[in-house]
Amino acid sequence: GAVVSQHPSWVICKSGTSVKIECRSLDFQATTMFWYRQFPKQSLMLMATSNEGSKATYEQGVEKDKFLINHASLTLSTLTVTSAHPEDSSFYICSARDLRGSSDTQYFGPGTRLTVL
Amino acid sequence: AQSVTQPDIHITVSEGASLELRCNYSYGATPYLFWYVQSPGQGLQLLLKYFSGDTLVQGIKGFEAEFKRSQSSFNLRKPSVHWSDAAEYFCAVGAGNTPLVFGKGTRLSVIA
Repeated sequence: GAVVSQHPSWVICKSGTSVKIECRSLDFQATTMFWYRQFPKQSLMLMATSNEGSKATYEQGVEKDKFLINHASLTLSTLTVTSAHPEDSSFYICSARDLRGSSDTQYFGPGTRLTVL
Repeated sequence: AQSVTQPDIHITVSEGASLELRCNYSYGATPYLFWYVQSPGQGLQLLLKYFSGDTLVQGIKGFEAEFKRSQSSFNLRKPSVHWSDAAEYFCAVGAGNTPLVFGKGTRLSVIA
């Protein structure tokens, strides 16, 4: 299978600060990565599609100026939560699209728990 | 519109009993179908996937799923559940470079 990592696994920050979350595909290149948000006991909510070398595509209702996504290389996408507030506290999960061989599968990172005080 | 329905929010089974988790989808084209499992505080792990070919697919941890086009279903099964299978299970549908559409998940509890 394919391995996707996220860093950090958890972060606590003060209201008004910015937090950067990294998503890396460790053993494959991913031109497309996805960022999701998950509230307790709920399913995943797609926030944006991150494409290497181009601007991210945001889902309706997701503030692109608040959730900055950069996909500067084929193995790394970053999500920066700017001016974080307590309502941004959540579990953020990324996935990377693996297109090797006949596969077209999203593999997920372990998630990042963000708590904004 | 694409959608995935997991009718059961929570299922409890006894250890050693068989399991079937239901998934129905609505998709305009031939879908790619996936089952993922999530343990508390963790990311999602791919259990199995269906793209084409044999409609009965085998996955990891002894799971299997059967694609039934006529019923728009992709139910997940396991003949004998272990306590370590307790987790949240998500069915998802997608194709090509479109984002996956997830069901709301089914929480599995396993009792002794």
